[in-house]
Amino acid sequence: GDSVTQMEGPVTLSEEAFLTINCTYTATGYPSLFWYVQYPGEGLQLLLKATKADDKGSNKGFEATYRKETTSFHLEKGSVQVSDSAVYFCALKGGSQGNLIFGKGTKLSVKP
Amino acid sequence: DSGVTQTPKHLITATGQRVTLRCSPRSGDLSVYWYQQSLDQGLQFLIQYYNGEERAKGNILERFSAQQFPDLHSELNLSSLELGDSALYFCASSVEDRTGNTIYFGEGSWLTVV
Repeated sequence: GDSVTQMEGPVTLSEEAFLTINCTYTATGYPSLFWYVQYPGEGLQLLLKATKADDKGSNKGFEATYRKETTSFHLEKGSVQVSDSAVYFCALKGGSQGNLIFGKGTKLSVKP
Repeated sequence: DSGVTQTPKHLITATGQRVTLRCSPRSGDLSVYWYQQSLDQGLQFLIQYYNGEERAKGNILERFSAQQFPDLHSELNLSSLELGDSALYFCASSVEDRTGNTIYFGEGSWLTVV
């Protein structure tokens, strides 16, 4: 079945460091790919999405490119801030199922 | 604010009891999803409704049931509760059921079973 694999956390970075969170997927068909973020004590918020190969999603300085050849959707940010501390979830929609399938989440802690 | 409203935000109940979680989707959204988030299982899809009809079923226990009403709000009923049912339950909604449609999440209902 469809699945999402993302790098294990936690990830701890200093402010202004470069961030990469790896995400790869397995799916039939042509899924859409998403990154969601969960800040402490809050619900899930959509961070960005891409609906077809080579699309780049971007928001709040974060970006991710839908790479069909490597079945990947890695999340990047050039300079993280303390306020980016949260859990980040990679997800796919489509493939063999219509609902969102999530990775296990990666906790990011940014130190001042 | 995603526009998806869930009540109650927090709930503490005893084992064996039954609770109902309520969800109002974003205005105009026809599809409603329920997810369970626990420390050991991560985010698990439970069930999806589209315009009042069940569309997909995931890892939902037989003790759990859901429905979507004509006004499109949805309820998740959890019965014969066990300690392991303690989790954060999310409701989410989307306009339709297409691959590219974004699914918007509510803030969740924290359920603690004691």
